[in-house]
Amino acid sequence: DAKTTQPTSMDCAEGRAANLPCNHSTISGNEYVYWYRQIHSQGPQYIIHGLKNNETNEMASLIITEDRKSSTLILPHATLRDTAVYYCIDLGGGTSYGKLTFGQGTILTVHP
Amino acid sequence: DTGVSQDPRHKITKRGQNVTFRCDPISEHNRLYWYRQTLGQGPEFLTYFQNEAQLEKSRLLSDRFSAERPKGSFSTLEIQRTEQGDSAMYLCASSLVGGLQFFGPGTRLTVL
Repeated sequence: DAKTTQPTSMDCAEGRAANLPCNHSTISGNEYVYWYRQIHSQGPQYIIHGLKNNETNEMASLIITEDRKSSTLILPHATLRDTAVYYCIDLGGGTSYGKLTFGQGTILTVHP
Repeated sequence: DTGVSQDPRHKITKRGQNVTFRCDPISEHNRLYWYRQTLGQGPEFLTYFQNEAQLEKSRLLSDRFSAERPKGSFSTLEIQRTEQGDSAMYLCASSLVGGLQFFGPGTRLTVL
């Protein structure tokens, strides 16, 4: 079973920031926070990951609270192509990265 | 295109028939994962390989399912005596040890 909890769905206007929350109530010290998304009928796509510090890449920013019990994925200027299901996942660190345990994710709908 | 390919993309079969899917990972990736995704749910882990060795199998992988990776490159997933409950998207992902998982486009199976 997934260890994270996310809202079922969210809406966002095109061009605005989309802020997707995730609760990591059972995350352990060596587990990273990963975010993937899945556009309809495609395989999941990696977005970003982090351990403690906030992270930014060309796709998104990741904010992790100090206690690491929650995170927020930020898409700074959402476009229609960002409409997808977004998954946050806790994944063990070290050299033994294994299976990804997906929850039901958040359906993000970006509207014009 | 992530570099992970799956064949076929769609398969329709009758209950009781056997089906086989193929996954070609990114060439230098030594880990290969299989997941299953039913409608409205996140992907669920089935099994993974490191090189030729199958290191973990989910309890979801009944004895009708078998996966192989004979030369540590491509992998096949066979389902024997298919049932309607096997209808799902079957996803393959590959990674280096400790690296990000990249997903293929999936094979959608419909069992009539």
